[in-house]
Amino acid sequence: QSALTQPRSVSGSLGQSVTISCIGTTSDVGGYNYVSWYQQHPGKAPKLMIYDVTKRPSGVPDRFSGSKSGNTASLTISGLQAEDEADYHCCSYAGTLVVFGGGTKLAVL
Amino acid sequence: DVQLVESGGGLVQTGGSLRLSCAASGFIFSNYAMSWVRQAPGKGLEWVSSIGGSGGTTYYADSVKGRFTISRDNSKNTLFLQMNNLRAEDTAIYYCAKYMVYFDYWGQGALVTVSS
Repeated sequence: QSALTQPRSVSGSLGQSVTISCIGTTSDVGGYNYVSWYQQHPGKAPKLMIYDVTKRPSGVPDRFSGSKSGNTASLTISGLQAEDEADYHCCSYAGTLVVFGGGTKLAVL
Repeated sequence: DVQLVESGGGLVQTGGSLRLSCAASGFIFSNYAMSWVRQAPGKGLEWVSSIGGSGGTTYYADSVKGRFTISRDNSKNTLFLQMNNLRAEDTAIYYCAKYMVYFDYWGQGALVTVSS
């Protein structure tokens, strides 16, 4: 099972919006509405930010949103804040397997 | 509050074995699937294995199939990962996570270092 494809890094200025893409296949992202996104600060455990493509867990700001088109999922963060600087990982259910992306480092300028 | 606490990590030689444990609290453990996810130094997350709530169904990544065994003791609210024939590429932080087609709670991780 190949990893999902994410950009290695993205950047945005305070208050701006950024979108992180996650490219999979019909066997994972395109085949199921079970894409999730995780935020990870250095030295910390990952934190669930989006699940089932578009849903936000309680406590996650509505600045974070998810979407999917075909085999590509996206995470959009609007109104960037300094604390959003972190690594972001996408993940997809793939039947009996689970596949992650390689992770994207977000820099807030 | 949900808590997941891993233990059992450490330094092991190539070819050796190690058993990780994850103590769970704050939810009805037997009602939920659980997983292990690892992260090699400076790398992304990699799913390792999942187990159903009753322990009757297990799934493994190809990279660990035949070497790792996931299990659980619902009477003790504990998840395990038995790792045999360890390789250098198994060096990583191993996280246990509550699994619902997504990972909603994570432990703090246990570092496993495999060295020759």
